[in-house]
Amino acid sequence: NAGVTQTPKFQVLKTGQSMTLQCAQDMNHNSMYWYRQDPGMGLRLIYYSASEGTTDKGEVPNGYNVSRLNKREFSLRLESAAPSQTSVYFCASILRGFISNQPQHFGDGTRLSIL
Amino acid sequence: TQLLEQSPQFLSIQEGENLTVYCNSSSVFSSLQWYRQEPGEGPVLLVTVVTGGEVKKLKRLTFQFGDARKDSSLHITAAQTGDTGLYLCAGPETGGTSYGKLTFGQGTILTVHP
Repeated sequence: NAGVTQTPKFQVLKTGQSMTLQCAQDMNHNSMYWYRQDPGMGLRLIYYSASEGTTDKGEVPNGYNVSRLNKREFSLRLESAAPSQTSVYFCASILRGFISNQPQHFGDGTRLSIL
Repeated sequence: TQLLEQSPQFLSIQEGENLTVYCNSSSVFSSLQWYRQEPGEGPVLLVTVVTGGEVKKLKRLTFQFGDARKDSSLHITAAQTGDTGLYLCAGPETGGTSYGKLTFGQGTILTVHP
C-alpha cells in the first residue's frame, strides 16, 4: 500500500535553477495539496487541487506553479529557485474535500536545499 | 484568517512523565485534528475531535476539544521514548470553497529521554 509517493526525497539546487517535484497517490482521492514545512511555522499550503482539472492558490503560492496531470498525479514546479524556497515539501491527498473531518494522507516529503 | 497557536513549541521530558500540549484559536472550528510526525516522514492523523467538550482517548493519549470549539489539548500519560516526534493540530477552513483545506498550528516538538 504505497499511499502518497513523492519524488525525489532530496534535492540540492543552485539559485535560478528550475525543478519539478512529483507526487502520486494510489487511493483514488479527489483532492490533493502541496505544503511547505519550515521550522516553527507548521505546514503552509502552497497550492491545492480540489479535483482533477482544477488548481488554486493557497497561502504561499509565489514562486511556484502546479499541474494536476490526472487524478493520481499533482506536480509542483519551481521555475527559478531562490534560497527562501529551501524547505521540506509535502504532498497530501484527501478522498473528497467537501466532506468534513477526513484525514489528509501525506507523503514522506522532499527535502530541498537551494544554494 | 483562522490561526492556531500551539504551546509549548518545544518539550523535553523524561520517560514516565506526563505532559500536555495546547492548541488555541480566537476562531471557532467545526472540528480539530491532531497529527503526529516522525523524522523523515509525513504527518499521520491521530484523532479528530468534533463536538465541543468531547474527550477521546488513544491508549495513553487523551484529546479534548474545548466547549466553545476554539481550543484543544493533547495529554500524554507516562510518556515513552516512542512518543518522541512533532505534534501538529489542524482545523478545517470554513466556507463553501474550503475543499478540505486545513490550517495547521506551528507544532510542538516532543523529546522523551530514557
